[in-house]
Amino acid sequence: QQQVKQSPQSLIVQKGGIPIINCAYENTAFDYFPWYQQFPGKGPALLIAIRPDVSEKKEGRFTISFNKSAKQFSLHIMDSQPGDSATYFCAAGDRGSTLGRLYFGRGTQLTVWP
Amino acid sequence: DSGVTQTPKHLITATGQRVTLRCSPRSGDLSVYWYQQSLDQGLQFLIQYYNGEERAKGNILERFSAQQFPDLHSELNLSSLELGDSALYFCASSVEGLAAYNEQFFGPGTRLTVL
Repeated sequence: QQQVKQSPQSLIVQKGGIPIINCAYENTAFDYFPWYQQFPGKGPALLIAIRPDVSEKKEGRFTISFNKSAKQFSLHIMDSQPGDSATYFCAAGDRGSTLGRLYFGRGTQLTVWP
Repeated sequence: DSGVTQTPKHLITATGQRVTLRCSPRSGDLSVYWYQQSLDQGLQFLIQYYNGEERAKGNILERFSAQQFPDLHSELNLSSLELGDSALYFCASSVEGLAAYNEQFFGPGTRLTVL
């Protein structure tokens, strides 16, 4: 059973566009929601993370929006650039019971055309 | 560079064989996680060790085993290999302190090809 559902599977935008990747979860005990970015041939790297006590977090051109009641969160990339082309994974974790384990979505392959 | 090292980078072997993948966590990190990444299954959590002890198990097959040594490096052993075991295997580490929110740092991965 997929604990975190991610969509879309792939996304193509033009440079300057605002790709949006969505994730949904069921386990209300989750209290940590990171996004990871992975380039071909590399391991995933933490991009930005949010905790459920805030509804939005921005870091540079990357923004996470969090809707606790809907159990959904999303990643927005402002003014997207070709260098943002990568696979993005959302994840969720519960420090209390799972002691560090993260549940990952299946990933979104983003392509930004110049 | 995340500070997590994995060896070897590539591994090609035959069905039925056994291989060992090695991971060294970042300095100071006590937790090590193993993940399998394949095209159709995404990033699948296999197992977690914390300071030498197994902490959590995910979708790890009985043919697979892991351990974390006193110096905190970890090894993932894959035996009786099948074609379907071909995948990227990632190791990640985290501090796992009480104030930390489990930021995991991933290594560059080991690409396993079973022929």
